[in-house]
Amino acid sequence: EVQLVESGGGLVQPGGSLRLSCATSGFTFNGHYMAWVRQTPGKGLEWVGRVRNRANGYIIDYAASVKGRFTISRDESKDSLYLQLSSVSSEDTAIYYCTRVFKSQYCDHWGRGTLVTVSS
Amino acid sequence: QSLLTQPPSVSSAPGQKVTISCSGSSSNIGKNFVSWYQQLPGAAPKLLIYDNDKRPSGIPDRFSGSKSGTTVTLGITGLQTGDEAEYFCGAWDSSLGVVVFGGGTTLSVL
Repeated sequence: EVQLVESGGGLVQPGGSLRLSCATSGFTFNGHYMAWVRQTPGKGLEWVGRVRNRANGYIIDYAASVKGRFTISRDESKDSLYLQLSSVSSEDTAIYYCTRVFKSQYCDHWGRGTLVTVSS
Repeated sequence: QSLLTQPPSVSSAPGQKVTISCSGSSSNIGKNFVSWYQQLPGAAPKLLIYDNDKRPSGIPDRFSGSKSGTTVTLGITGLQTGDEAEYFCGAWDSSLGVVVFGGGTTLSVL
């Protein structure tokens, strides 16, 4: 069974940093693209970014809203995905989902999400 | 403001059919394949439809997708109370280089 379990969410002050982790199991991690998607009540779903697999050069794409502030990485030895958030603002308050990507763009498995709240 | 436009809500009776539309532009729906996601209350989204009209294993054929130009439609037949959820469309946007999503449609089965 495919499992994605996020951790690391919480309260962070504006301008601060936070690192989210996603532990995966039940599939061949190194064979898949992975992505982070966030959700806010007001803005719905928003694609944060995607990291390709080894066969496709681990290329990373980011949404314009987070580029230069967020960093996606993956650790094949731990079957884990990460999202480093920096210079956060209230606009980054959301539930962050770790997703497995199918056919480059479809999120076919999702974690339960981790809540990030940016507030002083 | 989402790049893909969905109606905020739709409703229908149990056993009936409902359709949910999603409109985009030539850089997303007009050029690329589309997906649909179902989000039950309190749960993460779940992939319902990909490549405009394909269903992942385990998704019943009561759910269907279609595309015409820059608009896609999700159809659900034989409505059940368990279908009450938020439904989102999604598509790769070739100009932005990311997946864009619709704002979501709340389905009520009355």
